[in-house]
Amino acid sequence: KAGVTQTPRYLIKTRGQQVTLSCSPISGHRSVSWYQQTPGQGLQFLFEYFSETQRNKGNFPGRFSGRQFSNSRSEMNVSTLELGDSALYLCASSLAGTSGGAGDTQYFGPGTRLTVL
Amino acid sequence: GENVEQHPSTLSVQEGDSAVIKCTYSDSASNYFPWYKQELGKGPQLIIDIRSNVGEKKDQRIAVTLNKTAKHFSLHITETQPEDSAVYFCAASIFVAGRRALTFGSGTRLQVQP
Repeated sequence: KAGVTQTPRYLIKTRGQQVTLSCSPISGHRSVSWYQQTPGQGLQFLFEYFSETQRNKGNFPGRFSGRQFSNSRSEMNVSTLELGDSALYLCASSLAGTSGGAGDTQYFGPGTRLTVL
Repeated sequence: GENVEQHPSTLSVQEGDSAVIKCTYSDSASNYFPWYKQELGKGPQLIIDIRSNVGEKKDQRIAVTLNKTAKHFSLHITETQPEDSAVYFCAASIFVAGRRALTFGSGTRLQVQP
């Protein structure tokens, strides 16, 4: 079974631009969660989508948004990029998301390395 | 807010020795505790997880223990090998805005010296 895939793997943008990152979950998984990883803040939860609905959201500004399609693929968008948005953005998929049951095991993709200049 | 603390931040061991990484959490309602290994240039890889109805789980050289009363859990790696060198993250399923979300520790950089 193919793992979680993320595109693109690397991205360079300038301040003020916007960016869209894509994530394809493991086949059959309906939940996609996004995380931001930086050396200073570690791994931080951005949001979770399940069946095309945002089910949970972390403590990030409204410039960070996302969506999920009917095939469970997900995109996240960051508008008006700031230097501090430079990070590795990770996507994780699970069968049922944060339901608390066995289906909430999350599997990560390789990430998209975003550099903002 | 609710968080997860992880110690130590770096750990260096000789090949064949054991390594132990410890995490504490604050949300007494947490019920799921995964451990991830992250190698350079890759995403985190799940290596073992434990649920709150279990005190210990083992998978070959890796084991995790959970003490719900003290709210801490630990990763034990025995007979370490150079390929075990990586950054290890613990996580706990914690309520965020009324729903569970994984909250991660700050990571432990494990170096296994051959």
